[in-house]
Amino acid sequence: DQQVKQNSPSLSVQEGRISILNCDYTNSMFDYFLWYKKYPAEGPTFLISISSIKDKNEDGRFTVFLNKSAKHLSLHIVPSQPGDSAVYFCAASAGFSGGYNKLIFGAGTRLAVHP
Amino acid sequence: GAGVSQSPSNKVTEKGKDVELRCDPISGHTALYWYRQSLGQGLEFLIYFQGNSAPDKSGLPSDRFSAERTGGSVSTLTIQRTQQEDSAVYLCASSWVNYGYTFGSGTRLTVV
Repeated sequence: DQQVKQNSPSLSVQEGRISILNCDYTNSMFDYFLWYKKYPAEGPTFLISISSIKDKNEDGRFTVFLNKSAKHLSLHIVPSQPGDSAVYFCAASAGFSGGYNKLIFGAGTRLAVHP
Repeated sequence: GAGVSQSPSNKVTEKGKDVELRCDPISGHTALYWYRQSLGQGLEFLIYFQGNSAPDKSGLPSDRFSAERTGGSVSTLTIQRTQQEDSAVYLCASSWVNYGYTFGSGTRLTVV
Protein backbone atom coordinates (compact mmCIF):
# COMPACT_ATOMS: atom_id res chain seq x y z
CA ASP A 1 0.00 0.00 0.00
CA GLN A 2 1.82 3.07 -1.29
CA GLN A 3 0.84 6.04 0.82
CA VAL A 4 3.01 8.45 -1.19
CA LYS A 5 3.03 8.14 -4.96
CA GLN A 6 5.18 9.76 -7.59
CA ASN A 7 3.64 8.52 -10.78
CA SER A 8 6.24 9.91 -13.17
CA PRO A 9 9.48 7.95 -12.93
CA SER A 10 11.29 10.44 -15.14
CA LEU A 11 11.06 13.96 -16.51
CA SER A 12 13.15 15.72 -19.13
CA VAL A 13 13.22 19.53 -19.27
CA GLN A 14 15.18 22.08 -21.24
CA GLU A 15 17.51 24.37 -19.35
CA GLY A 16 15.80 27.63 -18.37
CA ARG A 17 12.29 26.17 -18.49
CA ILE A 18 10.09 25.16 -15.58
CA SER A 19 10.28 21.68 -14.06
CA ILE A 20 7.14 20.42 -12.33
CA LEU A 21 7.36 17.29 -10.21
CA ASN A 22 4.17 15.82 -8.82
CA CYS A 23 3.32 13.78 -5.76
CA ASP A 24 0.05 12.29 -4.47
CA TYR A 25 -0.70 10.90 -1.04
CA THR A 26 -3.48 8.84 0.45
CA ASN A 27 -3.13 9.25 4.21
CA SER A 28 -5.20 12.21 5.43
CA MET A 29 -3.20 12.21 8.69
CA PHE A 30 -0.11 13.49 6.88
CA ASP A 31 0.56 17.06 7.97
CA TYR A 32 4.10 17.75 6.83
CA PHE A 33 5.62 17.24 3.41
CA LEU A 34 9.19 17.42 2.20
CA TRP A 35 11.16 17.14 -1.00
CA TYR A 36 14.59 15.54 -1.09
CA LYS A 37 17.10 15.52 -3.91
CA LYS A 38 19.48 12.64 -4.54
CA TYR A 39 22.58 12.46 -6.70
CA PRO A 40 24.09 9.07 -7.61
CA ALA A 41 26.16 7.46 -4.84
CA GLU A 42 25.07 10.11 -2.33
CA GLY A 43 22.39 10.18 0.32
CA PRO A 44 19.26 12.27 -0.23
CA THR A 45 19.53 15.92 0.80
CA PHE A 46 16.70 18.09 2.05
CA LEU A 47 15.38 20.59 -0.46
CA ILE A 48 12.17 22.22 0.75
CA SER A 49 9.21 21.44 2.98
CA ILE A 50 5.66 22.56 3.64
CA SER A 51 3.30 22.26 6.55
CA SER A 52 -0.34 21.37 5.97
CA ILE A 53 -1.39 24.78 7.29
CA LYS A 54 0.12 26.37 4.19
CA ASP A 55 -0.56 25.91 0.51
CA LYS A 56 2.69 27.32 -0.82
CA ASN A 57 6.29 27.62 0.26
CA GLU A 58 9.01 29.26 -1.79
CA ASP A 59 12.79 29.13 -1.52
CA GLY A 60 14.68 30.73 -4.34
CA ARG A 61 14.07 28.79 -7.54
CA PHE A 62 12.08 26.12 -5.69
CA THR A 63 8.39 26.36 -4.81
CA VAL A 64 6.23 23.65 -3.30
CA PHE A 65 2.46 23.78 -3.67
CA LEU A 66 0.08 21.77 -1.51
CA ASN A 67 -3.54 20.99 -2.42
CA LYS A 68 -4.97 19.24 0.63
CA SER A 69 -8.39 18.58 -0.85
CA ALA A 70 -6.78 16.74 -3.76
CA LYS A 71 -4.05 15.21 -1.54
CA HIS A 72 -1.54 16.46 -4.05
CA LEU A 73 1.67 18.41 -3.92
CA SER A 74 4.04 19.62 -6.55
CA LEU A 75 7.55 20.99 -6.73
CA HIS A 76 8.28 23.74 -9.24
CA ILE A 77 11.83 24.58 -10.25
CA VAL A 78 12.22 27.82 -12.18
CA PRO A 79 14.45 28.26 -14.08
CA SER A 80 15.75 24.72 -14.37
CA GLN A 81 19.53 24.27 -14.48
CA PRO A 82 21.66 21.27 -15.54
CA GLY A 83 22.83 20.92 -11.92
CA ASP A 84 19.24 20.19 -10.95
CA SER A 85 19.47 16.83 -12.72
CA ALA A 86 18.91 14.29 -9.95
CA VAL A 87 16.27 12.02 -8.45
CA TYR A 88 13.65 13.90 -6.45
CA PHE A 89 11.79 12.19 -3.62
CA CYS A 90 8.55 13.39 -2.11
CA ALA A 91 8.08 12.49 1.57
CA ALA A 92 5.30 12.89 4.11
CA SER A 93 4.84 12.52 7.82
CA ALA A 94 2.04 12.54 10.36
CA GLY A 95 2.91 14.64 13.39
CA PHE A 96 6.44 15.46 12.20
CA SER A 97 7.12 17.76 15.13
CA GLY A 98 10.47 18.88 13.84
CA GLY A 99 12.13 15.68 12.80
CA TYR A 100 10.99 13.14 15.36
CA ASN A 101 8.79 10.99 13.21
CA LYS A 102 9.33 8.64 10.35
CA LEU A 103 8.98 9.89 6.82
CA ILE A 104 7.15 7.94 4.15
CA PHE A 105 8.82 8.38 0.78
CA GLY A 106 7.60 8.12 -2.77
CA ALA A 107 9.45 6.13 -5.43
CA GLY A 108 11.19 9.21 -6.82
CA THR A 109 11.25 11.08 -10.13
CA ARG A 110 14.44 11.30 -12.14
CA LEU A 111 14.80 14.82 -13.54
CA ALA A 112 17.10 15.46 -16.49
CA VAL A 113 17.75 19.09 -17.42
CA HIS A 114 19.37 19.37 -20.83
CA PRO A 115 20.96 22.40 -22.50
CA GLY B 1 32.81 14.17 11.35
CA ALA B 2 30.19 16.68 10.34
CA GLY B 3 27.89 14.28 8.53
CA VAL B 4 26.29 10.87 8.91
CA SER B 5 28.87 8.18 8.23
CA GLN B 6 28.00 4.70 6.98
CA SER B 7 30.26 1.70 6.54
CA PRO B 8 31.03 -0.21 4.50
CA SER B 9 30.08 1.76 1.40
CA ASN B 10 29.78 -1.47 -0.58
CA LYS B 11 29.28 -5.04 0.58
CA VAL B 12 29.03 -8.19 -1.51
CA THR B 13 28.01 -11.29 0.39
CA GLU B 14 26.99 -14.82 -0.37
CA LYS B 15 23.40 -15.88 0.08
CA GLY B 16 22.88 -17.28 3.57
CA LYS B 17 25.64 -15.27 5.24
CA ASP B 18 25.04 -12.63 7.93
CA VAL B 19 25.99 -8.99 7.39
CA GLU B 20 26.36 -5.98 9.67
CA LEU B 21 25.95 -2.43 8.46
CA ARG B 22 27.14 0.47 10.59
CA CYS B 23 25.86 4.02 10.98
CA ASP B 24 27.58 6.88 12.83
CA PRO B 25 25.03 9.69 13.24
CA ILE B 26 25.77 13.36 13.66
CA SER B 27 26.89 14.04 17.21
CA GLY B 28 23.98 15.21 19.34
CA HIS B 29 21.28 13.92 17.02
CA THR B 30 18.89 11.96 19.18
CA ALA B 31 16.87 10.31 16.42
CA LEU B 32 18.27 7.73 14.02
CA TYR B 33 16.51 6.05 11.10
CA TRP B 34 17.27 3.19 8.72
CA TYR B 35 15.79 3.07 5.22
CA ARG B 36 16.54 0.96 2.20
CA GLN B 37 16.18 1.59 -1.50
CA SER B 38 15.79 -1.43 -3.73
CA LEU B 39 16.40 -1.11 -7.46
CA GLY B 40 13.75 1.11 -9.01
CA GLN B 41 11.95 1.58 -5.70
CA GLY B 42 11.51 4.44 -3.27
CA LEU B 43 12.95 4.72 0.19
CA GLU B 44 11.46 2.03 2.41
CA PHE B 45 11.34 2.74 6.15
CA LEU B 46 12.93 0.01 8.29
CA ILE B 47 13.44 1.18 11.87
CA TYR B 48 13.62 4.34 13.97
CA PHE B 49 15.38 5.07 17.26
CA GLN B 50 14.51 8.08 19.39
CA GLY B 51 16.55 8.68 22.53
CA ASN B 52 15.88 6.06 25.17
CA SER B 53 12.43 5.15 23.84
CA ALA B 54 11.69 1.72 22.46
CA PRO B 55 12.55 1.70 18.75
CA ASP B 56 9.84 1.70 16.09
CA LYS B 57 10.56 -1.57 14.28
CA SER B 58 7.39 -1.55 12.21
CA GLY B 59 9.25 -1.44 8.88
CA LEU B 60 11.57 -4.40 9.35
CA PRO B 61 10.61 -6.86 6.57
CA SER B 62 11.32 -10.07 8.47
CA ASP B 63 12.80 -11.42 11.69
CA ARG B 64 16.11 -11.82 9.86
CA PHE B 65 16.52 -8.07 10.25
CA SER B 66 17.50 -6.46 13.53
CA ALA B 67 19.11 -3.23 14.64
CA GLU B 68 20.57 -1.78 17.76
CA ARG B 69 21.82 1.58 18.83
CA THR B 70 24.49 1.60 21.49
CA GLY B 71 24.90 4.50 23.89
CA GLY B 72 22.45 6.60 21.92
CA SER B 73 24.98 6.99 19.13
CA VAL B 74 26.29 4.36 16.70
CA SER B 75 23.76 1.98 15.20
CA THR B 76 24.24 -1.43 13.59
CA LEU B 77 21.74 -3.03 11.23
CA THR B 78 22.15 -6.81 11.07
CA ILE B 79 20.72 -9.04 8.37
CA GLN B 80 20.90 -12.75 9.09
CA ARG B 81 20.88 -15.47 6.43
CA THR B 82 20.86 -12.94 3.62
CA GLN B 83 18.67 -13.51 0.58
CA GLN B 84 18.98 -12.06 -2.91
CA GLU B 85 15.94 -9.83 -2.32
CA ASP B 86 17.90 -8.12 0.47
CA SER B 87 20.11 -6.52 -2.18
CA ALA B 88 19.57 -2.78 -1.90
CA VAL B 89 21.14 0.47 -0.78
CA TYR B 90 20.71 0.80 2.97
CA LEU B 91 20.50 4.42 4.10
CA CYS B 92 20.85 5.78 7.60
CA ALA B 93 19.67 9.24 8.68
CA SER B 94 19.78 11.18 11.90
CA SER B 95 17.89 14.21 13.12
CA TRP B 96 17.48 16.59 16.04
CA VAL B 97 14.56 18.66 17.19
CA ASN B 98 13.25 21.13 14.61
CA TYR B 99 15.54 19.88 11.88
CA GLY B 100 14.92 17.41 9.10
CA TYR B 101 16.86 14.31 8.36
CA THR B 102 20.51 14.23 7.37
CA PHE B 103 21.25 11.10 5.37
CA GLY B 104 24.47 9.19 5.01
CA SER B 105 25.72 8.05 1.61
CA GLY B 106 24.43 4.55 2.16
CA THR B 107 25.74 0.97 2.01
CA ARG B 108 25.17 -0.84 -1.26
CA LEU B 109 24.52 -4.48 -0.36
CA THR B 110 24.69 -7.14 -3.06
CA VAL B 111 23.74 -10.71 -2.21
CA VAL B 112 25.05 -13.23 -4.73
